[in-house]
Amino acid sequence: SQTIHQWPATLVQPVGSPLSLECTVEGTSNPNLYWYRQAAGRGLQLLFYSVGIGQISSEVPQNLSASRPQDRQFILSSKKLLLSDSGFYLCAWKPGGTYEQYFGPGTRLTVT
Amino acid sequence: RKEVEQDPGPFNVPEGATVAFNCTYSNSASQSFFWYRQDCRKEPKLLMSVYSSGNEDGRFTAQLNRASQYISLLIRDSKLSDSATYLCAVKRNTPLVFGKGTRLSVIA
Repeated sequence: SQTIHQWPATLVQPVGSPLSLECTVEGTSNPNLYWYRQAAGRGLQLLFYSVGIGQISSEVPQNLSASRPQDRQFILSSKKLLLSDSGFYLCAWKPGGTYEQYFGPGTRLTVT
Repeated sequence: RKEVEQDPGPFNVPEGATVAFNCTYSNSASQSFFWYRQDCRKEPKLLMSVYSSGNEDGRFTAQLNRASQYISLLIRDSKLSDSATYLCAVKRNTPLVFGKGTRLSVIA
């Protein structure tokens, strides 16, 4: 069966520090991968999605970037965090041929 | 108009009650529809897909009304464990677009 992993589960970072969040999917190949952010009391905001290795689509201009170095690995990065980057970061995947998306357990990021 | 809209609630209902949520979408070309459940501080989990003919899974029934551009979720015989935020999701040409969710609180 397929599983999706995200780490770390929680993170507290100072303003201006770098960020790297990792997401991996097991048990499938060539999934579509997504990064969402959910700020406190707000909805899910799509940040990036990828349909294949090295293919990244950005939905919202900001100081974040994403990379997909391997088929089942999706990384979210920032060079300098802002206070407004705080939130719940969720990675999701979609199997080929379907439309449902499945979420990882998320990383709760607090920028201080 | 936002692409996907939901009443944020909260809906406070007693155990055993029937409760229904609606979710409206703005783009008539939307293709697929889903309901997700999100518990506090957890990831959203797929509850059910919404088919054109409507579909039922135990106490949960999902309906699609293309003419009026909304989907609905009906929960019968509410349980305390149904307390959560229910998110609708709509697919057009891009990844799923989510509503902000409707919070349900089932009270003993």
